[in-house]
Amino acid sequence: ELKVEQNPLFLSMQEGKNYTIYCNYSTTSDRLYWYRQDPGKSLESLFVLLSNGAVKQEGRLMASLDTKARLSTLHITAAVHDLSATYFCAGKAAGNKLTFGGGTRVLVKP
Amino acid sequence: GAVVSQHPSWVICKSGTSVKIECRSLDFQATTMFWYRQFPKQSLMLMATSNEGSKATYEQGVEKDKFLINHASLTLSTLTVTSAHPEDSSFYICSARAPLSVYEQYFGPGTRLTVT
Repeated sequence: ELKVEQNPLFLSMQEGKNYTIYCNYSTTSDRLYWYRQDPGKSLESLFVLLSNGAVKQEGRLMASLDTKARLSTLHITAAVHDLSATYFCAGKAAGNKLTFGGGTRVLVKP
Repeated sequence: GAVVSQHPSWVICKSGTSVKIECRSLDFQATTMFWYRQFPKQSLMLMATSNEGSKATYEQGVEKDKFLINHASLTLSTLTVTSAHPEDSSFYICSARAPLSVYEQYFGPGTRLTVT
């Protein structure tokens, strides 16, 4: 059974600084996803990582995948207030199901 | 492309009544849809997998007689919460599987259910 753990659960950021969210998963996963969720809203797809060494970047967000370490990271460069949200990683398990990490609540302060 | 809608977006019902939530894939056909529940400040928990034309598969601990799922067409799955109680109040999110696309699953906007 796939288990996904994220840390930290909460991240208070200062604008302009860099931060990383970590996502560990327990067994082989076909792919690794990152999502953003704003309060009261559903999930917004950010990245899907398909293979070892994959790196995807969009604006101030960069995600990477190390399948050997079963680790994905979401790196935030020069944080800005608009990035305040909850970020989830998810792995694809058997039956095409997604298993989500616990989420990282990000608050960017000026 | 790959848009999923849910209806209603929010609903308030009285304890003991039933509520139906619809999940539609608007621009693609989905043989498989998933239903998730999310409590405040928690992660998404998969409730069940809905397969077109067959019975849904429920995750362990989810009461199938309480959460009735019907996937009658390739673009519509419904979740009916029967005899709702205040503890069923939650954010319900569906997703539809589009296997040929990069993301494979696309999420609906969610339905907030409040049971009074």
